[in-house]
Amino acid sequence: GIQVEQSPPDLILQEGANSTLRCNFSDSVNNLQWFHQNPWGQLINLFYIPSGTKQNGRLSATTVATERYSLLYISSSQTTDSGVYFCAVERGGADGLTFGKGTHLIIQP
Amino acid sequence: EAQVTQNPRYLITVTGKKLTVTCSQNMNHEYMSWYRQDPGLGLRQIYYSMNVEVTDKGDVPEGYKVSRKEKRNFPLILESPSPNQTSLYFCASSFLLAEGGNEQFFGPGTRLTVL
Repeated sequence: GIQVEQSPPDLILQEGANSTLRCNFSDSVNNLQWFHQNPWGQLINLFYIPSGTKQNGRLSATTVATERYSLLYISSSQTTDSGVYFCAVERGGADGLTFGKGTHLIIQP
Repeated sequence: EAQVTQNPRYLITVTGKKLTVTCSQNMNHEYMSWYRQDPGLGLRQIYYSMNVEVTDKGDVPEGYKVSRKEKRNFPLILESPSPNQTSLYFCASSFLLAEGGNEQFFGPGTRLTVL
């Protein structure tokens, strides 16, 4: 099956710092999503981004489908950004999402 | 508000006592699925459904059943729960276009403990 690798696995930053999270995938995909899992376990949709660039406030994402990677940028981090960030991909049809292992982000005040 | 809902959100039960976790979506999505999340193993798909009365196995279907009698509902049934089914469960839904690649929306999760 398709492989999804996220880096770094853990990241500790001070409030106000910027960060870049990376997702590499092993095959062409029709769907790529970024999620934030908050401390209560809920999966929050951040971006649906099979290709191109999107921005939402302090967050932005870029997917270069031809090179099989995606980047999530977080600027001016806040403590509420803490949690685990997942990248998930789907080849197409009803394959279901394949998730990476996530990046555990801790923002310290 | 467009959403996926799950009930219950938390459940502690005992081995062998049948239980059902409900999932409902109000977005008229054709595709629905169930995932479980376990430490070190990540999120894995249990079952999915492409439309009413159409269901199929995902990566880890053993010990689970599903049904899709109505488009909006996709319950997960554990006929005889065992401790290895202790997990965090998510329901998800999306439209299903021929070319695939549709954004999936997740429910809030159900934390299940089987003693």
